[in-house]
Amino acid sequence: DTAVSQTPKYLVTQMGNDKSIKCEQNLGHDTMYWYKQDSKKFLKIMFSYNNKELIINETVPNRFSPKSPDKAHLNLHINSLELGDSAVYFCASSRVSGNTIYFGEGSWLTVV
Amino acid sequence: QKEVEQDPGPLSVPEGAIVSLNCTYSNSAFQYFMWYRQYSRKGPELLMYTYSSGNKEDGRFTAQVDKSSKYISLFIRDSQPSDSATYLCAMSARQAGTALIFGKGTTLSVSS
Repeated sequence: DTAVSQTPKYLVTQMGNDKSIKCEQNLGHDTMYWYKQDSKKFLKIMFSYNNKELIINETVPNRFSPKSPDKAHLNLHINSLELGDSAVYFCASSRVSGNTIYFGEGSWLTVV
Repeated sequence: QKEVEQDPGPLSVPEGAIVSLNCTYSNSAFQYFMWYRQYSRKGPELLMYTYSSGNKEDGRFTAQVDKSSKYISLFIRDSQPSDSATYLCAMSARQAGTALIFGKGTTLSVSS
């Protein structure tokens, strides 16, 4: 069973479009995250939710909006996509905030 | 100064070599230290987890933490071609509202 699963794995879309990435974890964790990995492989935290409550919101454009319908799901919606949004987006979860985290396989977003 | 510094490499070694990967950090509040391994087009997977200073060994892998020097290391003995991956250090103060902070990753290539 996949612990942290996210869809889609690959996404190619045009500038200006709106897209969503979905994430689900079956580990029973209370905290979920979105990380962005740029072309130089640097992993940077974007958002963190604990029991559906937003606890970390790094300096991310307002075009990015996370939504957590329950503690097992954390989706990422991106409005008005720009070329610079092209990256790999990783969903992750942990038992508690700041603890070891478990990553999904990543969603490769390419904006053309 | 960035919170976590890691030499991106690339690092190329022959099979059987001992590999040393290192990170330095500036935040003295960090207490939890991890190493993740990331294969190409995959999500990072947890390799080693250490709390505070000291050593931890798991098979061919040894993690060392020196909090006084703000320096952590990962040693890989008898390196194998399957160890070829990007290795990311990560650390946390594990306080409410915090998340793991990652280094930029070191790309390792082990040739047979």
